[in-house]
Amino acid sequence: QQPVQSPQAVILREGEDAVINCSSSKALYSVHWYRQKHGEAPVFLMILLKGGEQKGHEKISASFNEKKQQSSLYLTASQLSYSGTYFCGTAGNKLTFGGGTRVLVKP
Amino acid sequence: DSGVTQTPKHLITATGQRVTLRCSPRSGDLSVYWYQQSLDQGLQFLIQYYNGEERAKGNILERFSAQQFPDLHSELNLSSLELGDSALYFCASSPGGGGPVGETQYFGPGTRLLVL
Repeated sequence: QQPVQSPQAVILREGEDAVINCSSSKALYSVHWYRQKHGEAPVFLMILLKGGEQKGHEKISASFNEKKQQSSLYLTASQLSYSGTYFCGTAGNKLTFGGGTRVLVKP
Repeated sequence: DSGVTQTPKHLITATGQRVTLRCSPRSGDLSVYWYQQSLDQGLQFLIQYYNGEERAKGNILERFSAQQFPDLHSELNLSSLELGDSALYFCASSPGGGGPVGETQYFGPGTRLLVL
């Protein structure tokens, strides 16, 4: 079953922070985060493992709450380059992606 | 550049036709995954091959089939094409089989299919 992402879209000014949430109705072994810029391929950001620690990429970090079956992606001091669509993927025997969150960072 | 290549980059065809999309994984990667992304839609997992064998299946239509060859490249065959099959088709690769935790997947640039 597809994980649910929220919000569906967010508009930020450069330097602002944002949080993207990813929830699953199934127990999670891991959560994967990818970013896709318009017209391009998705690019891997990070994997969070059950019982593992928070991992980061640039000033993007994430957390994984196993009990709540949720993950959150934190965009800190956002840069123009952070614009794109962020997908979370939950792993079972195959990676299932959420519907995506569109992020637009304006100057 | 992820190291995954896909050909062709663009494909325009008519309803009822059959097309083949090709993917070469990163050097050393054993798994190939196929995804469909329709306009403004998320990534829909179609199928995974690991070292030549089908490993996982998603929402792949019966009109679609895939295979992975001994040199590990993969082909996705789409037949009896319909207008709704117009989409961006991505292939991705990973070093191992994925498993319950999953692995980092490296995506190719995609093939944009337009069915007229």
